[in-house]
Amino acid sequence: EPEVTQTPSHQVTQMGQEVILRCVPISNHLYFYWYRQILGQKVEFLVSFYNNEISEKSEIFDDQFSVERPDGSNFTLKIRSTKLEDSAMYFCASTGRGSRNTQYFGPGTRLTVL
Amino acid sequence: GEDVEQSLFLSVREGDSSVINCTYTDSSSTYLYWYKQEPGAGLQLLTYIFSNMDMKQDQRLTVLLNKKDKHLSLRIADTQTGDSAIYFCAESTGNRDDKIIFGKGTRLHILP
Repeated sequence: EPEVTQTPSHQVTQMGQEVILRCVPISNHLYFYWYRQILGQKVEFLVSFYNNEISEKSEIFDDQFSVERPDGSNFTLKIRSTKLEDSAMYFCASTGRGSRNTQYFGPGTRLTVL
Repeated sequence: GEDVEQSLFLSVREGDSSVINCTYTDSSSTYLYWYKQEPGAGLQLLTYIFSNMDMKQDQRLTVLLNKKDKHLSLRIADTQTGDSAIYFCAESTGNRDDKIIFGKGTRLHILP
């Protein structure tokens, strides 16, 4: 069964450093998302992406964040200058054509900012 | 604004039924979901229900929706140790580019 994959599974970085989190959505999907889950808290929406542009972004997704689909398979989330409060699990999701918004999630990347 | 609320913990004896409850506020919700998260793992879509339905059954899982009260429940029959996980209630309007709003998750603990 096709699945969303994410790399790395765990990323440790120093405050102020740039990180890029990578996702490979399900191959025929067209809508892509990033969510994050701070430890013990809700899963929160960050951004949705369709047709090579952002569809919607939350207030969390400020100028330090950017997303890109650099080729036909990868979908990346970049944090330019990480802060301690960016430490969280980051989930990528994708959904395809059809009438259902059934988003399939990847296993997540745990980001630890020191 | 949109919000999804659910209790944080539930303990159930192995073999009993588990019922996890959820309330939501957005009357325009079209899809209501249950996701499962096992320790250290991602979010697995368990099941979903359209807002024009009041019940959906899938093997050991039964989802009940009371749209008037904006109340959703997930019943797991014959609960097994493998059901131990965090269960997230979630909703969306159903547009393909729309975000999903999650609850905080209910941690289901199975007693021997």
